[in-house]
Amino acid sequence: DAGVTQSPTHLIKTRGQQVTLRCSPKSGHDTVSWYQQALGQGPQFIFQYYEEEERQRGNFPDRFSGHQFPNYSSELNVNALLLGDSALYLCASSLTLTDPQAMSYTFGSGTRLTVV
Amino acid sequence: GEDVEQSLFLSVREGDSSVINCTYTDSSSTYLYWYKQEPGAGLQLLTYIFSNMDMKQDQRLTVLLNKKDKHLSLRIADTQTGDSAIYFCAEKEGSQGNLIFGKGTKLSVKP
Repeated sequence: DAGVTQSPTHLIKTRGQQVTLRCSPKSGHDTVSWYQQALGQGPQFIFQYYEEEERQRGNFPDRFSGHQFPNYSSELNVNALLLGDSALYLCASSLTLTDPQAMSYTFGSGTRLTVV
Repeated sequence: GEDVEQSLFLSVREGDSSVINCTYTDSSSTYLYWYKQEPGAGLQLLTYIFSNMDMKQDQRLTVLLNKKDKHLSLRIADTQTGDSAIYFCAEKEGSQGNLIFGKGTKLSVKP
């Protein structure tokens, strides 16, 4: 049973460009959350998608947007890239209708984005 | 706002016990977590504790929760070189909420 898969694993972009990162949740999960982990920092919550809608959002600018598809997979889009957007982007999937236990959060290995 | 604090580094010898400490600020947190991150990898859930518990033991891992002081600790017994990694403490915001992470504690295990 595959866990959370993210693509690509690494990406280099130029300032001002746009990027799309992809996430396929663990089988049976219906909720996808995105986190940004800068070097030497803990992950920071970007947003969460459930039933193809953004359910919660962290303190990130509108340049960060997302989408969830009917098959529960998700994309994270970042426009007008800044050097400070360089980070590891982690996707986590969970199942909303279960009792909210920790075991339902499964993280992918992340996409390493470098902005030059 | 909510904040999770951890010491940044811990160095122990193989076979010793490791204790990683964390403080949090949100008294309404229902679940508190410990995650492990190895170089170049994502986050692996190690264990979690519900806020109405004081202690949870899972093989070599022991989690202690002092809710009054908002202090959480992770003890790893018989620490091995394979335990070398960054350990993150996290709290959950709300019932379906996001996780709030500390900056992580880098554990180095010397042979």
